[in-house]
Amino acid sequence: ETGVTQSPTHLIKTRGQQVTLRCSSQSGHNTVSWYQQALGQGPQFIFQYYREEENGRGNFPPRFSGLQFPNYSSELNVNALELDDSALYLCASSVPQGADYGYTFGSGTRLTVV
Amino acid sequence: RKEVEQDPGPFNVPEGATVAFNCTYSNSASQSFFWYRQDCRKEPKLLMSVYSSGNEDGRFTAQLNRASQYISLLIRDSKLSDSATYLCVVNRGDYKLSFGAGTTVTVRA
Repeated sequence: ETGVTQSPTHLIKTRGQQVTLRCSSQSGHNTVSWYQQALGQGPQFIFQYYREEENGRGNFPPRFSGLQFPNYSSELNVNALELDDSALYLCASSVPQGADYGYTFGSGTRLTVV
Repeated sequence: RKEVEQDPGPFNVPEGATVAFNCTYSNSASQSFFWYRQDCRKEPKLLMSVYSSGNEDGRFTAQLNRASQYISLLIRDSKLSDSATYLCVVNRGDYKLSFGAGTTVTVRA
């Protein structure tokens, strides 16, 4: 059974650019959640995808968007990057009630905006 | 007010010591509770779920007080490998986990 994999592991972008982060879900999991973790903070919920539809969203602006594909993998897109978007971006896959049992996270993508 | 608040530490303890810390949560409708461990620049990993009756996993003991809305974690016989940030996590029965900012523990030889 493969775990949650994320790519790339590290990324440096310039303010104003756009970025796409990718997540492959664990086998058998049809729900993907994305979190942002700034330095010294706990992860903050961005959104969740279930059956290719957004299933819930945290307090993030519309320039944070996502997709889920038929194979349950997912992308997080961030437009018009700002310096404060520098963070560790974490993906977790689960079954729909997965939050009841805690999540297994991928190893994350560390985004630096300069 | 933050949904989950933690004692930030840092807690600096010698090997073999016992260390304990708490977190509080604001939403009384919260249903599931967890402790995650995060090593420096790594992803959070589930340490243990927290049940109403309290539960142990080896050297780790977690307690939940629903009336006062706090959760605790106690680590006995600390090992060097216990050095990490411990994240208190709450779920209110929906699709998201709410994380505290973490408590840093350093175990010294």
